[in-house]
Amino acid sequence: GQQVMQIPQYQHVQEGEDFTTYCNSSTTLSNIQWYKQRPGGHPVFLIQLVKSGEVKKQKRLTFQFGEAKKNSSLHITATQTTDVGTYFCAGRPISTGAGSYQLTFGKGTKLSVIP
Amino acid sequence: NAGVTQTPKFRVLKTGQSMTLLCAQDMNHEYMYWYRQDPGMGLRLIHYSVGEGTTAKGEVPDGYNVSRLKKQNFLLGLESAAPSQTSVYFCASSTSKFYTEAFFGQGTRLTVV
Repeated sequence: GQQVMQIPQYQHVQEGEDFTTYCNSSTTLSNIQWYKQRPGGHPVFLIQLVKSGEVKKQKRLTFQFGEAKKNSSLHITATQTTDVGTYFCAGRPISTGAGSYQLTFGKGTKLSVIP
Repeated sequence: NAGVTQTPKFRVLKTGQSMTLLCAQDMNHEYMYWYRQDPGMGLRLIHYSVGEGTTAKGEVPDGYNVSRLKKQNFLLGLESAAPSQTSVYFCASSTSKFYTEAFFGQGTRLTVV
């Protein structure tokens, strides 16, 4: 079945430093989504990428979708304490079979920001 | 606007007991999902539904059953709870399979002793 791998599992950064998490799928994706989960909370949607090579920005966050639509990254510039949480990527396979309904999540990257 | 509501929020079960987790959404979404979240394992799909009356197995379906008798509700059942089912369970819903975000409930923390 489809696998979505995410690295690193944990990242500790000093406030003001940059942060990047990477996501790789074993299969070609129709789209990829990114979610943030605050400690004790539930995942909340951040953004979706659909097109090959797509880049989107949300303030200090930059999201990229690979040319082959099998990998993605999230980069945070100048982290703040409000960025603390776990960031998940989630992808849907491009196939038209029953599996294409599934939204498969990576294991997430837990970000800690040291003030 | 409630969104996705999960009931209960916390539960402690003894091994062998049964229970049902309820997920209700008021957004008229077609698709609903049940995930479990364990430390270091991310979110793993248990079962999902693409419409009323239809369900399908996800990545880790063993030990669970589901039903979608009404469009707005998705029930997750544990017939005979095991300690390995101790986890945080999240329900999610979305409008369609492509290009839309999933909305998550607040989660149910289940402990099986």
